[in-house]
Amino acid sequence: AQSVTQPDIHITVSEGASLELRCNYSYGATPYLFWYVQSPGQGLQLLLKYFSGDTLVQGIKGFEAEFKRSQSSFNLRKPSVHWSDAAEYFCAVGLLFSGGYNKLIFGAGTRLAVHP
Amino acid sequence: AAGVIQSPRHLIKEKRETATLKCYPIPRHDTVYWYQQGPGQDPQFLISFYEKMQSDKGSIPDRFSAQQFSDYHSELNMSSLELGDSALYFCASSSAEGAGELFFGEGSRLTVL
Repeated sequence: AQSVTQPDIHITVSEGASLELRCNYSYGATPYLFWYVQSPGQGLQLLLKYFSGDTLVQGIKGFEAEFKRSQSSFNLRKPSVHWSDAAEYFCAVGLLFSGGYNKLIFGAGTRLAVHP
Repeated sequence: AAGVIQSPRHLIKEKRETATLKCYPIPRHDTVYWYQQGPGQDPQFLISFYEKMQSDKGSIPDRFSAQQFSDYHSELNMSSLELGDSALYFCASSSAEGAGELFFGEGSRLTVL
């Protein structure tokens, strides 16, 4: 069955430090992978997505992620974290069907705290 | 740009009452999805509609029902509410041209007392 694992429930970094959030997936075919961010009480905002092609994907807010098929991973990175990046981050795998229908399976999320 | 609109944003109900949540997808999006996110949980897929027909079903309780109308908006009806139904309910929409990208609304927070 398809699944997404985010090993880190909570991560705390200092402002200006680099960040890497881990994501591992289980899926039999070529995965469609997503990272979403959720601020407290807010909706889900798409940071970036991987469908095919270049395995290093650039997203919004200075985030990037790298797809590594051999490791079944899609880790999210940012070189320098800002206090406003404190939020919950969800990795998701999309089960893409014909007609653009996409059922997302989410990981449990990683809560990021940023120290000043 | 127009986004997915959900209403109401907040709703408080008593146990055994009924609640209805509404979702207005992005114009020209033909697929609507409903997700439920409990406190501290990841979003769980409930149900989806394509061109006004139910296209997929997830972990949606029998007490819940949903439909998509001719103007593509969707409603999630929840009856005999239980304390455990307290959650953030997200609606998302997508189109075939969007290659599977889901656009989420800001969610409707349901509190059952």
